[in-house]
Amino acid sequence: QLQLQESGPGLVKPSETLSLTCTVSGGSVSSNTYYWGWIRQPPGKGLEWIGSIYYSGKTYYNASLKSRAAILVDTSKNQFSLKLSSATAADTAVYYCARHDKDNSGSLFDYWGQGTLATVSS
Amino acid sequence: QTVVTQEPSFSVSPGGTVTLTCGLSSGSLSTSNYPSWYQQTPGQTPRTLIYSTNTRSSGVPYRFSGSILGNKAALTITGAQADDESDYYCALYMGSGIVVFGGGTKLTVL
Repeated sequence: QLQLQESGPGLVKPSETLSLTCTVSGGSVSSNTYYWGWIRQPPGKGLEWIGSIYYSGKTYYNASLKSRAAILVDTSKNQFSLKLSSATAADTAVYYCARHDKDNSGSLFDYWGQGTLATVSS
Repeated sequence: QTVVTQEPSFSVSPGGTVTLTCGLSSGSLSTSNYPSWYQQTPGQTPRTLIYSTNTRSSGVPYRFSGSILGNKAALTITGAQADDESDYYCALYMGSGIVVFGGGTKLTVL
């Protein structure tokens, strides 16, 4: 059974970089079928797609975050990560990692991590 | 910037039928947007219900169905149950690797 687990600092200072890692088990980030994505949800608000990455390193980003977001993949560790620079309070959210079936089903995220709350505050 | 629109809230009686919709602020929505639907109860991870317009995810009850109605994607719950009370989000594929989520619909069953 595929499982994803987010990890990273729960508290980030304003203007610093928010960094999160997603560890995949029961499957491989090197799969040539799937992408791997990050989605966030500010407290009390809706879901926002941040971006997705293929094992080759090819990435797609939400235009509103593209200048600050970087998603990387580490196939040796079966992980992928998110770095969001110049963090502000507006970046406070639960961050989910998920498997993205982009090529077959466009907007399908079929396996999700449990989510991790990242708070931006001094 | 494309906005994906959903009803902010909806109410249905137990046993009733409700259709939630998902549209685009500009342009036409079609099966090429691969509409998907997610259910989320407070404090929980989103659960995948429907993908590629009308394919139910594994384990999803038959009372959930997806379709295109006119210029919108639709999620219909037939015979609503109390535990269907949740937030429902649609997501659309906009091409070039881009996905946009709708703002969500809060469904009340009463």
